[in-house]
Order: sequence, then structure tokens, then C-alpha cells
Amino acid sequence: DQQVKQNSPSLSVQEGRISILNCDYTNSMFDYFLWYKKYPAEGPTFLISISSIKDKNEDGRFTVFLNKSAKHLSLHIVPSQPGDSAVYFCAASHPPSGGSNYKLTFGKGTLLTVNP
Amino acid sequence: ETGVTQTPRHLVMGMTNKKSLKCEQHLGHNAMYWYKQSAKKPLELMFVYNFKEQTENNSVPSRFSPECPNSSHLFLHLHTLQPEDSALYLCASSQGARMNEQFFGPGTRLTVL
Repeated sequence: DQQVKQNSPSLSVQEGRISILNCDYTNSMFDYFLWYKKYPAEGPTFLISISSIKDKNEDGRFTVFLNKSAKHLSLHIVPSQPGDSAVYFCAASHPPSGGSNYKLTFGKGTLLTVNP
Repeated sequence: ETGVTQTPRHLVMGMTNKKSLKCEQHLGHNAMYWYKQSAKKPLELMFVYNFKEQTENNSVPSRFSPECPNSSHLFLHLHTLQPEDSALYLCASSQGARMNEQFFGPGTRLTVL
């Protein structure tokens, strides 16, 4: 049972326009959410995160919105650039229990293509 | 070298071979992770090490054997793998209170024939 879902396998956007990547989750214990970007032949790189005590976090062209009641988060990229073309993974974690580590639960990813 | 490095980048092995994947982090982190990414599936956590101690084994078959000699190095020893084990194996590390933000290596693309 997937706890983090990215229902759009791919998204194509024109350069300069807004890219909106969506993510839904089912586990109400999740309290921290992250977006990672992955280029081919490279590992995922951390992009932006948001704690459940916030509903918005902004970093340059990237903004993440969190709607806890809907268990939904989204990543907005504006303006989109061709170099943003990559696979974007949504990930979530909840407080560890019993002395264990934080664990990230990932979605399957969305391939974003920004066309010049 | 900076960040998280993994060797080899590509590996082809037969089902009877024994091989090892290596990961090294140059970030001073205290936790290291092995993930598996199969085609069209989310990243799956395999193992977690914290200060060289294994703190998580996510029901991984014994044909995968991790080793963490120190906080900077992590190995994944492979023995009698199956073709369905072919995948991208990613190593990651993290530090302290920001253990949520994991830094990934480029991965090893493994093909089991």
C-alpha cells in the first residue's frame, strides 16, 4: 500500500510558465515533507522541504504548499526553465519510534519536461 | 571528493557471483542508508546505519549483506542474487537533527544475469 502517491508520471510545461507537481499521502503521522530532484545517471538531490506546522515554504523559484486536511502537497516552479527537466520525487517522514531513525517514504516520481 | 560517492557505477553479475558495492560520504554525517530503486517503483529503504550500528533492516533477503566499518563507509555485499534484484542501488547519508534531509550518491546500476 503506497503511503505517498504521485499520480502523474509525467508533466510537460513550456519554458517560463509555472510547473505544478502534486503529491498525496495517506499516513496522518507524517510531519515532514521533502521534494527531491533527480537527473539521469545521478542520485536524487534535496530541493525543498516543509514541516507540518507550516502550509508554505518558498526558496527562490520553488515553493511547496501543504494542505494537511487534504493530505496533499504540491511543488510550484515559476518560471520553469529547461534545466528543471528531471524526475521529481515527493518524500515524507514521521517521528521515529523506539530509537529508530527517521525514514523517508518516497513517491514514484514525476518526470517534468520543460520545453524551450 | 565531495558529497557521497558510489563505486562501481555499473555492475553486471551472474547469479553465482559475489560482488560488493561501496559507498563513501565526505560530509561528516553519522547515518548512512542503502536504497533500492526498481523500474516504475518508489525508492525502497533497505538498511540504515547510525554511528556504524545497523538500526534498520527493512526485511531484506540475506543475499544482501551490509557492512559499515565506520561512519564514512558503507558496503553492500551481494551473493547469489536473482535477476529480479537488478535495479539502481542508492546510498545516502544524513546528519543529526536534520536526518530527514538525506544526501544521495549517484547509484550503482546492477544487472543480474
